Amino acid sequence: AQSVTQPDIHITVSEGASLELRCNYSYGATPYLFWYVQSPGQGLQLLLKYFSGDTLVQGIKGFEAEFKRSQSSFNLRKPSVHWSDAAEYFCAVGLPDSNYQLIWGAGTKLIIKP
Amino acid sequence: DTEVTQTPKHLVMGMTNKKSLKCEQHMGHRAMYWYKQKAKKPPELMFVYSYEKLSINESVPSRFSPECPNSSLLNLHLHALQPEDSALYLCASSFGTGVQNEKLFFGSGTQLSVL
Repeated sequence: AQSVTQPDIHITVSEGASLELRCNYSYGATPYLFWYVQSPGQGLQLLLKYFSGDTLVQGIKGFEAEFKRSQSSFNLRKPSVHWSDAAEYFCAVGLPDSNYQLIWGAGTKLIIKP
Repeated sequence: DTEVTQTPKHLVMGMTNKKSLKCEQHMGHRAMYWYKQKAKKPPELMFVYSYEKLSINESVPSRFSPECPNSSLLNLHLHALQPEDSALYLCASSFGTGVQNEKLFFGSGTQLSVL
């Protein structure tokens, strides 16, 4: 069965430090890949997505993600985090044969140390 | 206007009450969605409307009844809910239909408590 794994339930990073959030998926072909962010008490906002082409994708708020087919991964990175980046981050996968359904990872909570 | 607006932001209801959640977008999006999100969990898809027609019902109990009066509005009617239905209910919209076109725009949600 298809699945999305975010192995880190929460990550603590100092302000100004770099960040990498991990996401692995299980699917036979290349799915559509998304990262969403959810601030406390808010809805979700799309950070970036990958459908095809260049495997390094730039998103909003200074985030980027790299698709690695050999590792079935789509990890999210940011070179220098800000306190406002504290939020829940969800990786999601869209399957080409499933019209609307996204398969969501369990989320990673990012905590920023001052 | 790039917003999805949901009202109310908070709702407390008894198990015998009838209430409605409202969602509105003016981006010309053709698909609208209801998601349910429990604390510390990812969102779960409930319903999808495409061109004002119900496209997907993810086996949601009949005590949840969606309605799409026009292309900008989406309602979720609630009746005889259970305490386990307490959650954040998120509305979303997208211009395209089909996951390959998706950039989902989410509202801030309605935090529902069922007593």
